[in-house]
Amino acid sequence: EVQLVESGGGLVQPGRSLRLSCTASGFTFGDYAMSWVRQAPGRGLEWVGFIRSKAYGGTTEYAASVRGRFTISRDDSKSIAYLQMNSLKTEDTAVYYCTRVVIVVDPYFDYWGQGTLVTVSS
Amino acid sequence: SYELTQPPSVSVSPGQTASITCSGDNLGDKYVCWYQQKPGQSPVLVIFQDSKRPSGIPERFSGSNSGNTATLTISGTQAMDEADYYCQAWDSSTAVFGGGTKLTVL
Repeated sequence: EVQLVESGGGLVQPGRSLRLSCTASGFTFGDYAMSWVRQAPGRGLEWVGFIRSKAYGGTTEYAASVRGRFTISRDDSKSIAYLQMNSLKTEDTAVYYCTRVVIVVDPYFDYWGQGTLVTVSS
Repeated sequence: SYELTQPPSVSVSPGQTASITCSGDNLGDKYVCWYQQKPGQSPVLVIFQDSKRPSGIPERFSGSNSGNTATLTISGTQAMDEADYYCQAWDSSTAVFGGGTKLTVL
């Protein structure tokens, strides 16, 4: 059974940093791209970014709203994807979901974690 | 930047057919996915590549995409289908979500 478990959320002050983790199980983690999607309270889904598998160079793509502040990385030996968030803003407050990505002609997010809440407030 | 537009809400009677649209420039040239999100839960993929259903998704869910509009159709809508639905497509290595549609089963 595919499982994705996010951790690391919490309350953080504006301008500070936070690192989220996504621990995967039930599939060969290294074969898949992984993505982060967030949802502000009462709002819709917003894509944050993704990291390709090592077979595709392990490269990353980001939404314009987080580019330069957020970094996605992966540790295939531990089956963990990370989201490093720097220079946090109040508008980054959201539930952050980790997703598995199926890379085909156009990728899709086939499994989602339960999410972890990040609150940016002074 | 690319935008996907969905109606904020759609209502349907139990047993009837619900249609949720998603509009974007030349959307028919892209593949569209649909996600269902029930209150307090994580999103679930219900349609990928315009019209394909993942394993475990009921046959009453179907999708189409042509021109500037993609459509999620739920035939024989059940009370359990009440949820928010989001369309999603890719534009230049960027994933774009529609604003979401709240489906109410009256």
